[in-house]
Amino acid sequence: EPEVTQTPSHQVTQMGQEVILRCVPISNHLYFYWYRQILGQKVEFLVSFYNNEISEKSEIFDDQFSVERPDGSNFTLKIRSTKLEDSAMYFCASRARDTPSGDEQFFGPGTRLTVL
Amino acid sequence: AQSVAQPEDQVNVAEGNPLTVKCTYSVSGNPYLFWYVQYPNRGLQFLLKYITGDNLVKGSYGFEAEFNKSQTSFHLKKPSALVSDSALYFCAVRGLYSGGGADGLTFGKGTHLIIQP
Repeated sequence: EPEVTQTPSHQVTQMGQEVILRCVPISNHLYFYWYRQILGQKVEFLVSFYNNEISEKSEIFDDQFSVERPDGSNFTLKIRSTKLEDSAMYFCASRARDTPSGDEQFFGPGTRLTVL
Repeated sequence: AQSVAQPEDQVNVAEGNPLTVKCTYSVSGNPYLFWYVQYPNRGLQFLLKYITGDNLVKGSYGFEAEFNKSQTSFHLKKPSALVSDSALYFCAVRGLYSGGGADGLTFGKGTHLIIQP
């Protein structure tokens, strides 16, 4: 069964450094998402991406964040200058199309980001 | 703005008994509702969804959920709990798709389901 994959599984970085989290969505999916989950808290929406542009972003997704689909398979989240409060589990998700049968988002296993 | 409430931090059920995990929502227009399950150190796994149609939807692993528009609820249920059902359950809502907006899921805070042998 196809699945969303994410690399790395765990990333440790120093405060102020740039990080890039990588995701490979399910191959025929058209909509892509990033979410984060701070330890012990709920999952929070960051950004959605469709047709090579951001379609929606939350207030969390400020100028320090950017997303890119550099080729036909990868979907990346970049944090330009990491802060301690960016430490969280980051989930990538993808969705096939906007019809009732294809409406659920499929999540990857997550990347745990630790900012020291 | 849309929101989801899961009023119980934890639900304890004896194995073999029926279980219910509660969820209420607030959204403009018709809701798209979802349940996801998260096992320790794992990602979110899709369980079931309500988009339109029958108010009782069936999903993976014997779970089902009942959509109640008047009570704005979408409670998760299972007739007979298994120890392996123990996990963190999230209810989520997506607002009515409007051609590029309201696309991200809004999650509840999660409910720990503990099934006791």
